[in-house]
Amino acid sequence: DIQMTQSPSSLSASVGDRVTITCRASQGISNYLAWYQQKPGKVPKLLIYGASTLQSGVPSRFSGSGSGTDFTLTISSLQPEDVASYYCQKYNTAPLTFGGGTKVEIK
Amino acid sequence: EVQLVESGGGLVEPGGSLSLSCAASGFIFSSYAMSWVRQAPGKGLEWVSSISGGGNITYYADSVKGRFTISRDTSKNTLYLQMNTLRAEDTAVYYCSKVRSEVVVAASNYWGQGTPVTVSS
Repeated sequence: DIQMTQSPSSLSASVGDRVTITCRASQGISNYLAWYQQKPGKVPKLLIYGASTLQSGVPSRFSGSGSGTDFTLTISSLQPEDVASYYCQKYNTAPLTFGGGTKVEIK
Repeated sequence: EVQLVESGGGLVEPGGSLSLSCAASGFIFSSYAMSWVRQAPGKGLEWVSSISGGGNITYYADSVKGRFTISRDTSKNTLYLQMNTLRAEDTAVYYCSKVRSEVVVAASNYWGQGTPVTVSS
């Protein structure tokens, strides 16, 4: 099965900083990659699908890129409300594996 | 408005069984695949199982294959997860999610609030 590896596992950044989270697939998955945000005590929320398509209603400071095995989620200007854990998920085939998650905090 | 409401969670002894339900509303239930995703305490998300809109295609994580069964009842707009031979490592909050399309392998764009399952003696 394809493994999904996220890095870093956690990060601390200042408000206004540009934040980048990486997700790497052990084999190519084309652009079948989604990103989710889970705020503390809340349910996951879809941010991006198709590696780079922003889900309706998601702020434009979030963006995704990549194809094949290497993907990136970028927050262009970190806001206090972005404190959360972020997960990638591959969905080219089953199993629909999630990455281990990245916890984002404010410095 | 899409709503997903899970029920059926609780405390069960190792080796026991539990049946989860997810009542869906606000969309044409039969037109969309559905998934179950779980999250153990303090851990990340783990995909468990998915089912096509028509119910004829199902997928399972290796960790639950042969023990869990996903199904859906279009007449009741309800998704189910029958969990047998439960283990301590199945302890988690179980989320029901609506997939973006009828195709099983797609991202989930709506999630329920989750129902907790604890497997312990």
